[in-house]
Amino acid sequence: DVKVTQSSRYLVKRTGEKVFLECVQDMDHENMFWYRQDPGLGLRLIYFSYDVKMKEKGDIPEGYSVSREKKERFSLILESASTNQTSMYLCASSPGTSRYGFGQGTRLTVV
Amino acid sequence: RKEVEQDPGPFNVPEGATVAFNCTYSNSASQSFFWYRQDCRKEPKLLMSVYSSGNEDGRFTAQLNRASQYISLLIRDSKLSDSATYLCVVYGGSQGNLIFGKGTKLSVKP
Repeated sequence: DVKVTQSSRYLVKRTGEKVFLECVQDMDHENMFWYRQDPGLGLRLIYFSYDVKMKEKGDIPEGYSVSREKKERFSLILESASTNQTSMYLCASSPGTSRYGFGQGTRLTVV
Repeated sequence: RKEVEQDPGPFNVPEGATVAFNCTYSNSASQSFFWYRQDCRKEPKLLMSVYSSGNEDGRFTAQLNRASQYISLLIRDSKLSDSATYLCVVYGGSQGNLIFGKGTKLSVKP
């Protein structure tokens, strides 16, 4: 099974803080993804990456950036956290197929 | 039209009931189809793939109609443990990644 690990299950941050959400996978997968999930809106793709140092915008990239310096690690960055970024954040990886593995999720609250 | 649409529910059913979920997708070039299950405050997990010929896994039956761009999931003899949100998922969108429906919430009551 794919093992995808997100650094925190729960985070509380203040408005304006810079926030880093970390994701690590142990399957040597090329593709990694960041989603956010909100009630009534489902999972929405923020950013994804097909290779080291490569990144592509998803459906809702505004207010976020990403970093992929190593194949196994994909970081989501909130440059200046805002209350509307309070959400559940899910990281996923895949070997370039439809077989995704998901991390356990990070529930971020911005106050 | 949203890429993947499904009835949000909630579906409240008694134990032992049969329940059906439906889903439609907009991109006719979509390649693969899935149902995921998501428990409260947990990550989504693959329940089963969906094939045009229809496929079954125990009490769960999935069906795909490519002509109508329609996917279904049937759960027979519902158990309390089936209570969860069921996500209809399509692979092969414009960005070649998984596209999720918003999910259908199922509550199975004693």
